Amino acid sequence: EAGVVQSPRYKIIEKKQPVAFWCNPISGHNTLYWYRQNLGQGPELLIRYENEEAVDDSQLPKDRFSAERLKGVDSTLKIQPAELGDSAVYLCASSLTLSQPQHFGDGTRLSIL
Amino acid sequence: KQEVTQIPAALSVPEGENLVLNCSFTDSAIYNLQWFRQDPGKGLTSLLLIQSSQREQTSGRLNASLDKSSGRSTLYIAASQPGDSATYLCGSLFNYGQNFVFGPGTRLSVLP
Repeated sequence: EAGVVQSPRYKIIEKKQPVAFWCNPISGHNTLYWYRQNLGQGPELLIRYENEEAVDDSQLPKDRFSAERLKGVDSTLKIQPAELGDSAVYLCASSLTLSQPQHFGDGTRLSIL
Repeated sequence: KQEVTQIPAALSVPEGENLVLNCSFTDSAIYNLQWFRQDPGKGLTSLLLIQSSQREQTSGRLNASLDKSSGRSTLYIAASQPGDSATYLCGSLFNYGQNFVFGPGTRLSVLP
């Protein structure tokens, strides 16, 4: 079974520029998560999808962050404009259902100059 | 506020030792609790998931227990090996709001 695939692995941009991350979950997994992880901390949930519906986006900074999950499969997370404090690792995970184990991709490390 | 904490923040042990990692959660109304390991520069790898109706789960040298009444879970690693060196994180799915919250992790070093 192929794992969760994320791209790019690394991204370096200047502040105020836009950036996008892409995630391909494990086939058949209905639940998809986007997390942000700062150095030395656990991941923080940004948004959770059940199929194509965003069911928990309470931690997503909606003034600059947006996400979509087309046809309930792949997902993109966008930041526009990026700020210095957005530097972090952005992780995508998927699970069969909310109560099943989460499987993570390797993440995208974002650096804002 | 729903929070998950882990103690200790870091742990160093000699190879072969048995060890216990601790995880605490503030709200006992959880749906499940999951233990992960994270290697440097990598995503998280699921180790064990305990549903709220279960007391423990075992996989090889790993055993995870859950005590909802005290808001605690432990991960027991038997006969530790240098390859076990990683950061171990626990996360809990809380009933209210169906929020999944992670602890900060315990960084484990197993010395040869």
